[in-house]
Amino acid sequence: GNSVTQMEGPVTLSEEAFLTINCTYTATGYPSLFWYVQYPGEGLQLLLKATKADDKGSNKGFEATYRKETTSFHLEKGSVQVSDSAVYFCALSVGQAGTALIFGKGTTLSVSS
Amino acid sequence: ETGVTQSPTHLIKTRGQQVTLRCSSQSGHNTVSWYQQALGQGPQFIFQYYREEENGRGNFPPRFSGLQFPNYSSELNVNALELDDSALYLCASSLGSGGDIQYFGAGTRLSVL
Repeated sequence: GNSVTQMEGPVTLSEEAFLTINCTYTATGYPSLFWYVQYPGEGLQLLLKATKADDKGSNKGFEATYRKETTSFHLEKGSVQVSDSAVYFCALSVGQAGTALIFGKGTTLSVSS
Repeated sequence: ETGVTQSPTHLIKTRGQQVTLRCSSQSGHNTVSWYQQALGQGPQFIFQYYREEENGRGNFPPRFSGLQFPNYSSELNVNALELDDSALYLCASSLGSGGDIQYFGAGTRLSVL
């Protein structure tokens, strides 16, 4: 079946540190891959996406590259800010009709000044 | 352009009761998906509605049911509530059943006592 595995959190960093959150997936077919972010008390917001192998999604300094050979979609940011503190979810979708998002368990990021 | 709105924001019910949660989709979107997010977990797909028809369903029992109205707003109904139904329920809207970007509301926090 289809599934997403994320690194366990919490991840605690100092401001301006480098961030990596690992995500690997299992899927039948050719999935689209996403990173969503959830700030406290809010719903999920799409951070970035990639729809085919070797695509790089980027937004707000975050990047992730769709690696088919390693079935991975790791999230990176060169210099984190306190405002990046949130829960990050890796997700995939496969197929056309009834396209459900399949999420990982989420990784909590806490950035201190 | 209004985003996805959900009501109520919080709800407390007792075991065995029934509950209805509501979702207004983003302007122009004709597809609504519902997710259950247990504490500390990623969202789990419940079902999707496209143009008023159920268009995909996750691994949830029949006591979870839904509706979509002509204006594309939606309801999630849960009968015979169980303690494990306590969770954040998220609604997401998108354009088209195969549309891969889903926009989420802030959710309804349901507590079952």
